[in-house]
Formats: sequence, structure tokens, C-alpha cells
Amino acid sequence: DAGVTQSPTHLIKTRGQQVTLRCSPKSGHDTVSWYQQALGQGPQFIFQYYEEEERQRGNFPDRFSGHQFPNYSSELNVNALLLGDSALYLCASSLVRSPGHEQYFGPGTRLTVT
Amino acid sequence: EDQVTQSPEALRLQEGESSSLNCSYTVSGLRGLFWYRQDPGKGPEFLFTLYSAGEEKEKERLKATLTKKESFLHITAPKPEDSATYLCAVQAMNSGYSTLTFGKGTMLLVSP
Repeated sequence: DAGVTQSPTHLIKTRGQQVTLRCSPKSGHDTVSWYQQALGQGPQFIFQYYEEEERQRGNFPDRFSGHQFPNYSSELNVNALLLGDSALYLCASSLVRSPGHEQYFGPGTRLTVT
Repeated sequence: EDQVTQSPEALRLQEGESSSLNCSYTVSGLRGLFWYRQDPGKGPEFLFTLYSAGEEKEKERLKATLTKKESFLHITAPKPEDSATYLCAVQAMNSGYSTLTFGKGTMLLVSP
């Protein structure tokens, strides 16, 4: 049973550039959430996708956008990168009808902005 | 606004020395409280979900408990492989499609 997968593992970008991160959810899951984790901090919620629509959004600017595909996989796009966007980006999947709504995380993508 | 505070920020134990980690929370109706373990540079690994005050769950040397304002993660006779950052997160009842609000974590180091 494949868990949550993310690509790429590491990424180095320059300020002002754009980046796309990818996530495949755990088999059987239909909801994908994205989190940003700065060094020494807990993950912060960016947004959540279900049925190919953004359902909830955290306190992140419009430079952060996403997409969910019919196969439930998802992308996170960040435009006009800032140095402060350097972080570990985590994808978590869940099943909306699961009573517990447990979220299972992928290994993350480490983004470095120089 | 939902808030989660974890203490201590860091904890160093000797192998076999039991202790507890604390997670205090404020949330507008708790749907669930989650504990995760995170190794350096990796994604959080799900440990437990607690739903109501008085509930307890165990897994190997770990036991999680929940009250109306806080949760404890008890570590009994820890081993060096228990070294990791332990994250606590809450899920609010009014979060229609369930999002998690995390604390900053407790970094645990267990020395042999």
C-alpha cells in the first residue's frame, strides 16, 4: 500500500522564480492538504483540496496556489519566490468520510530560495 | 483562533528514564487531537488521535492522554530510537474539511 509521495525531494530556486511541487495521496484517499514547515517550527496549513476544489485556505498570500487532479494527486505552485519561502513543504492526504480524518504526511519537499 | 502550545521545547533523557510531554490547546470545539513523530528532514508520522477528555491510547512505550485543555504524551523507559520531535495538532469541529493546527513540537533526545 503506497503511502503519500512527493516530488521533487529537494529544490533550489532564485528569488522571483516560480516553483511547482507535486503530491500523490495515499491509496484510497481523496483529500490533499499542503503545509509549510519552517526550520524549528510546526507545520502551517496552506490549503486543502477536495473534489478538485480548494476547500479551505490558511493565512498565505495569493502567490501560493494549487490544483487537484481527477486522480486526487495535487500540485502546489508558488510564484514570485521570496527568501522567506524557504521551508519544508509537506503534503498530507486523508479520506473525507473517515470518522477520524487522520492525515498522513509525505516525506516533504525541501525548497531553498537564494 | 485555535492555538497549540507544547512544552518543553526540548527534553534530554537517559535511556530508561520515563517522562511526559505536554500539549496545551485552545480550540472552538475539539474534533480531535493528534500526535505525530517527526524525524529530522522527514514528514510527520502519525501516532495517535484522541477525541474526548479521559481517552487514552498506547503504542509500545508511548501513551497519550487527553483532558479538556491539554494532552500528555507519556514515554515509558525510552530508548535512543525514540529520539525525534513530537508534534501535537488539533482539529476544530467547525473545520468542515478538517485542517490541523500544530504546535512547535518537543525535541526529544534519549541518550544511551
